[in-house]
Amino acid sequence: DAKTTQPTSMDCAEGRAANLPCNHSTISGNEYVYWYRQIHSQGPQYIIHGLKNNETNEMASLIITEDRKSSTLILPHATLRDTAVYYCIAPPAGGATNKLIFGTGTLLAVQP
Amino acid sequence: NAGVMQNPRHLVRRRGQEARLRCSPMKGHSHVYWYRQLPEEGLKFMVYLQKENIIDESGMPKERFSAEFPKEGPSILRIQQVVRGDSAAYFCASSPVIAGVGIADTQYFGPGTRLTVL
Repeated sequence: DAKTTQPTSMDCAEGRAANLPCNHSTISGNEYVYWYRQIHSQGPQYIIHGLKNNETNEMASLIITEDRKSSTLILPHATLRDTAVYYCIAPPAGGATNKLIFGTGTLLAVQP
Repeated sequence: NAGVMQNPRHLVRRRGQEARLRCSPMKGHSHVYWYRQLPEEGLKFMVYLQKENIIDESGMPKERFSAEFPKEGPSILRIQQVVRGDSAAYFCASSPVIAGVGIADTQYFGPGTRLTVL
């Protein structure tokens, strides 16, 4: 896995956009960036992934810099239910294993 | 389409007993992964299986732990002679087969089994 670096914690006001940054300066050209989140006591939830282009789905948007050394996950209108630990992961491409290496992630606290 | 199912959701065992955790992957998924989350710690990979094959068990403790994913039925994570340090949440994930694509397949997680060893 390419090493990823995320802030330990962030606050966001309810209804505002939450922008969660991730640095992955050692990422290789064919490694995707995945985002998962874990709401307290629940199983991790897949959010989105991308390679080079920006991606958007019903949950979030993913902005990847042109040099691919960093990315930002955007929750456009954060709600209290979005309070969770968010993990940015860049698993190795190819090979025989698909294991995910979870770091410490970012604890996003959405405030009312 | 039902998600990844794990049972039991909560399991209590006394030291020295055996624990069996079951995981049914999403329909159409033939890859299963097990992760462990110790109290107040992060998620750690344990093992990656395909039907009837263990692909990567680099995260499995050397003793007492085993995993299988038979041709029919759920994947089983088995812990023999449990100790208090085995108390944790055990999560299973599954992913589909993406033939010919050299990327890590998106993994979908179950709700977990919380094991408590008394």
